[in-house]
Amino acid sequence: ILNVEQSPQSLHVQEGDSTNFTCSFPSSNFYALHWYRWETAKSPEALFVMTLNGDEKKKGRISATLNTKEGYSYLYIKGSQPEDSATYLCDNAGNMLTFGGGTRLMVKP
Amino acid sequence: EPEVTQTPSHQVTQMGQEVILRCVPISNHLYFYWYRQILGQKVEFLVSFYNNEISEKSEIFDDQFSVERPDGSNFTLKIRSTKLEDSAMYFCASREYGTPNSPLHFGNGTRLTVT
Repeated sequence: ILNVEQSPQSLHVQEGDSTNFTCSFPSSNFYALHWYRWETAKSPEALFVMTLNGDEKKKGRISATLNTKEGYSYLYIKGSQPEDSATYLCDNAGNMLTFGGGTRLMVKP
Repeated sequence: EPEVTQTPSHQVTQMGQEVILRCVPISNHLYFYWYRQILGQKVEFLVSFYNNEISEKSEIFDDQFSVERPDGSNFTLKIRSTKLEDSAMYFCASREYGTPNSPLHFGNGTRLTVT
């Protein structure tokens, strides 16, 4: 059912570490790549929408890149803080579908 | 700005009872979704709904679950006989048709507690 995959499933880092994770999707069926940040018991927050190969977006310490030819996007967090702890989800819009399973990030103080 | 609304915000029910979680998607959206997040665990997709029928569903969405759009406005998730393990935050989301650049719009969630 899921044609978007994320890795790793979970990630534990220390405060101050920089980290990154991956969203993979079928390059033959791409419309737009969305990243969301989802804290437990809160609504998901849209971070980025990327549509063009080579797109790079940045929001504070968080940035994302997109490679539509090879079918992946990276999300980077520079200098992780405990408040960055959340599940990060990507979504290949246009497939009437779902997120990847998400990467659950836990930042230890 | 239009938003997705969910009611109730918190539902407590006894094991074996039926619950209905309600959602009002954004009015011009045509794709609807239910997700859940068990405390401390990852987000789980339940079901997507388009054109008055289920588009996709996960393994979690078994015969105990059903969805309905009874009146063109509400989008409901029914659990026929709740189990303890159904306790979770349930999120409804909607998306506008034909606009792949549009992100999913989420409600604030319903916290379901099964005792």
